[in-house]
Order: sequence, then C-alpha cells, then structure tokens
Amino acid sequence: GAVVSQHPSRVICKSGTSVKIECRSLDFQATTMFWYRQFPKQSLMLMATSNEGSKATYEQGVEKDKFLINHASLTLSTLTVTSAHPEDSSFYICSARPNGIPETFFGQGTRLTVV
Amino acid sequence: SQKIEQNSEALNIQEGKTATLTCNYTNYSPAYLQWYRQDPGRGPVFLLLIRENEKEKRKERLKVTFDTTLKQSLFHITASQPADSATYLCALDPSNSGNTPLVFGKGTRLSVIA
Repeated sequence: GAVVSQHPSRVICKSGTSVKIECRSLDFQATTMFWYRQFPKQSLMLMATSNEGSKATYEQGVEKDKFLINHASLTLSTLTVTSAHPEDSSFYICSARPNGIPETFFGQGTRLTVV
Repeated sequence: SQKIEQNSEALNIQEGKTATLTCNYTNYSPAYLQWYRQDPGRGPVFLLLIRENEKEKRKERLKVTFDTTLKQSLFHITASQPADSATYLCALDPSNSGNTPLVFGKGTRLSVIA
C-alpha cells in the first residue's frame, strides 16, 4: 500500500514555542491531506483539510492562527502549532489518499508534549 | 442526523476464537466502507475496503461483510491471536468523492486473551 510518513514521532517543547510537524506522501501525490487530533482512548477528531496550493479548510472550533497548515507541494503538508501551551499536548495524525483510489493512508502520528 | 457507530467499545475474546466487530451507519449512503487497525501511540493502518456491490471481502484471517439494507458492516478475525489486540475503526467517505475526510466510528478495543 501507499506510504505516508510523519515526522517527528515525538516532540517535547516549552510553553510559548512553536512546533512543526511534517506529513509526506512517499510514493504518491496528494492534492489533499487531512490533519487529525486524538485524545487518549478517543477517536480521531478532524482538525483541517490541507489543500495543495491553497488555504486549508479548518473544522469548527479549530483556531487557524494557532494551527498553521501549509501544503506547498503535492507530497508535503506541514502543521505548525504556534505558541504552544500544555493544553495543546495531544496525538496529531495526518492522512492522505492517492488520486483515483478510495483507500486512505495515515502517518505514524506525532505525540506532542508541551511543558 | 448522520451517525457511524461501533456498538462495542471493548471486546475480550479467547485466543483461537473468532472476533466479530460491528459497524452501523445512519443517514449515509456509502459506496464503500473501510476498516483500520490502530495500536496505542500509532496512526491507523488500513486493513480492508469493501464496496457496496461486494457482500464479502477476505484478507488472510480477516473477513468483512457489507449489508446496505441493514446499513451494517461486520469485521471478523478468525483464529484470533494476542497480537490481534488493538483498536479497530470503521470509516466511510460521506461524499463518496475521495475529496472529503473520512468519518470514523469511535472504535472497538479488542483484547485477545491467551
């Protein structure tokens, strides 16, 4: 199957700093990627849809100025958590779907801890 | 309202038995359903996709069924092993277009006891 690579897998940062998470489609091009957040023992919560070459579409309640998404190429989307606070600590996951096939593939996830 | 539900939050079974997980949906007309496995601290891994015109799909010890009349998909793991312990998620594409994010059930946490 197709491979989506997410980096880093774990990151610890201090309050007030920014953290960038990368999501790459390794063997296919993805015009659309999706970013999710997951709290312990809960299902995935969609944060935003990342569109190559245009602005991301954010779900209701997600602060677009805090969670900056950039999809500059057909294989890379980045999520930057700006001015991170402890309540931003969570598990962040990206996904992408190769054009023309319905299966969706996920990155390995990033565990963010803000101290 | 639209819903996708996995009725069991957790399921414990004995090693060697068949695990059956249920996914029901309401007010959707999916052209296909997908099943994923998620281990703690990891992203979901795609397992199987079944289309509306397929009644059954198999992959090794996994079997998925799709009943559009009942609006239900069943996911079976035969000869279950402790290594099958994980959370299993069903998902559908609400627009069937490939351009909208998947909608997920809350998942069923399967524990296979040796």
